[in-house]
Amino acid sequence: KNQVEQSPQSLIILEGKNCTLQCNYTVSPFSNLRWYKQDTGRGPVSLTIMTFSENTKSNGRYTATLDADTKQSSLHITASQLSDSASYICVVSAGQDTGNQFYFGTGTSLTVIP
Amino acid sequence: NAGVTQTPKFQVLKTGQSMTLQCAQDMNHNSMYWYRQDPGMGLRLIYYSASEGTTDKGEVPNGYNVSRLNKREFSLRLESAAPSQTSVYFCASNKDAPYEQYFGPGTRLTVT
Repeated sequence: KNQVEQSPQSLIILEGKNCTLQCNYTVSPFSNLRWYKQDTGRGPVSLTIMTFSENTKSNGRYTATLDADTKQSSLHITASQLSDSASYICVVSAGQDTGNQFYFGTGTSLTVIP
Repeated sequence: NAGVTQTPKFQVLKTGQSMTLQCAQDMNHNSMYWYRQDPGMGLRLIYYSASEGTTDKGEVPNGYNVSRLNKREFSLRLESAAPSQTSVYFCASNKDAPYEQYFGPGTRLTVT
């Protein structure tokens, strides 16, 4: 069964600290993996997209890694800011990226406190 | 360039009432989607449209209908609302490879 699991479910960190969010998937055949940030009351916004051949991609203070062999991805946030407080969603696409082949994790809720 | 827009932002319905959620994108994307998001669950696909004139069911289509009016607009209709349809609804669209999805701001629907 195609699934995407994220951990932890929630996380609280102090401003300025780093953190790492995890995503494990069993989706096959793998096409790409994306991380989204969803602020409260808003729609998800893409942070990174990685294909099979990419194992690291950065977007400012966000760095995503992908290990296609173990089917794991992580999102590392450096020097966290209060504005990083949000839900982070991992999405894995299978096959041809058609509409019914996106698999969503339930998200990690990150709270950054002063 | 507004991206993906949705109307209304909030709606309260009584059981049995009908309504249409509107979605439009100005990015010339072929594919458009409707999702619902419930607490503790990932986004679930209701319907999608790979191109103008085509629509297909997703994971949770029961109780919904869609119309791809033209390339820009994709509407979602609830014919007879039920409390189980209380949710946040997101419209999304994506460009071709690498298929990055762009989401609208969401419609918060409560059915009493």
